[in-house]
Formats: sequence, C-alpha cells, structure tokens
Amino acid sequence: DVQLVESGGGLVKPGGSLRLSCAASGFIFSDYGMNWVRQAPGKGLKWVSYITTTGTDTYSADSVKGRFTISRDNAKNSLFLQMNSLRVEDTAVYYCARRGVRGSGWHFDYWGQGALVTVSS
Amino acid sequence: QSALTQPASVSGSPGQSITISCTGTSGDIGGSNYVSWYQQHPGKAPKLMIFDVSIRPSGVPNRFSGSKSGNTASLTISGLQAEDEADYFCTSYTSTSSLYVFGAGTKVTV
Repeated sequence: DVQLVESGGGLVKPGGSLRLSCAASGFIFSDYGMNWVRQAPGKGLKWVSYITTTGTDTYSADSVKGRFTISRDNAKNSLFLQMNSLRVEDTAVYYCARRGVRGSGWHFDYWGQGALVTVSS
Repeated sequence: QSALTQPASVSGSPGQSITISCTGTSGDIGGSNYVSWYQQHPGKAPKLMIFDVSIRPSGVPNRFSGSKSGNTASLTISGLQAEDEADYFCTSYTSTSSLYVFGAGTKVTV
C-alpha cells in the first residue's frame, strides 16, 4: 500500500526555520513528482511546492518563494521542505501529496496524514 | 480569498442527490480539463474522488460523478449516504505560476 508519513512539525517563533520530511513507501518513489500542500486551521487547502521525479525542477507558490525549498532524496525515498523566515501566516498542517500519473497527472492521488507547523511568539 | 468559488455548505437527506459547484476563470477551470475533487473527513487527510473533470479513481463509488461547463465544474453525489458527510475541495491546474488553485471547500451535511 502507498504510504506517506510526514514528520518534523512543531512550534517555531516568527523568523525561525523548520525542516519537514515525508517518508514514502509502497511505490517506486523516483517515478513520481511530489508536492507539499498546506491547510491553515479551519481553512481550505493551498498548494505550496512541487518537485519533479529527479529533483531537477521545482515550483513554488508566490507566498513562499525565496523562503521555502522543496527537495528529495530518491535513494532514501524521502521528500523534504526547508522552511525559513517563517511567518505567523505559515501556520498550517502541511501535507505531502503524490502527483497522479493517470490521465493528465494534474492531481494528487495520495496524501500523508500531515504535520502541524505552528508559528507563534 | 480562494481562487475557486465553492458554496460553504450543501445538505441533503440519505438517498438524495446533491451537486457542489466550483467556479473559476478561463485561466484555470475554463482553460483546461484538469479539475479534481477531494473528500476530507475531520482530522483526516484528503482523498482523491475525481480527476480530469470526470474520472473516478478505482475504489471510489460510482455515485460520485464530475462534470464541467465553461468556467464551472461540478461534483454530484447520487444516493447520498451518511459516510459522505465531509468537506469537499475542488482544485484546478492554473496557467499562472501557482500551478494549482483550490476552492475554500464545501461542507456536506447528510
């Protein structure tokens, strides 16, 4: 079965840094593009970042460009999100989500359970 | 403010049909067939229900269906069941630098 397990969330002060990890299993990790999607408390989902299968290309939402960096280690079946210069408005549950491969591929076919990041002084 | 507009809530009785709308622009929904829908129960991860406007992944009941007309996509749940009570989010590929845009979500009450 496909499993995505996030870790690394926690409480951090504004301006601080945090690194999220997502451990993947049950599929050939290097065959899939991967995303981070976040959900602020009581709010809707927002796409954060995407990385291609080899890690050569990355894309990020304007709200996190220059502050967040997505990366992956295919040898360790792991996805990462380095978050710097954190702001209160970055508080959210961060989900690791696999890019679908059926059809257009412009969807998320599996999601992790999420990691809560709280930015507060 | 979310890029895609969904009703905040929709309700129905068991066995009835409901439809959730998702309205965007020509830069997202209207310009592609890359609309997907996700179901999220409280405290749980989202689950893919529909992709590419109307395709159901394996394991999703056929009472869930999707469609699109112009800049508006729709998710219809036929034969509503108690376990369908959840939040539903639409998303679309967008031609902007954001890649994806989401709706704010619709709470379905059975």
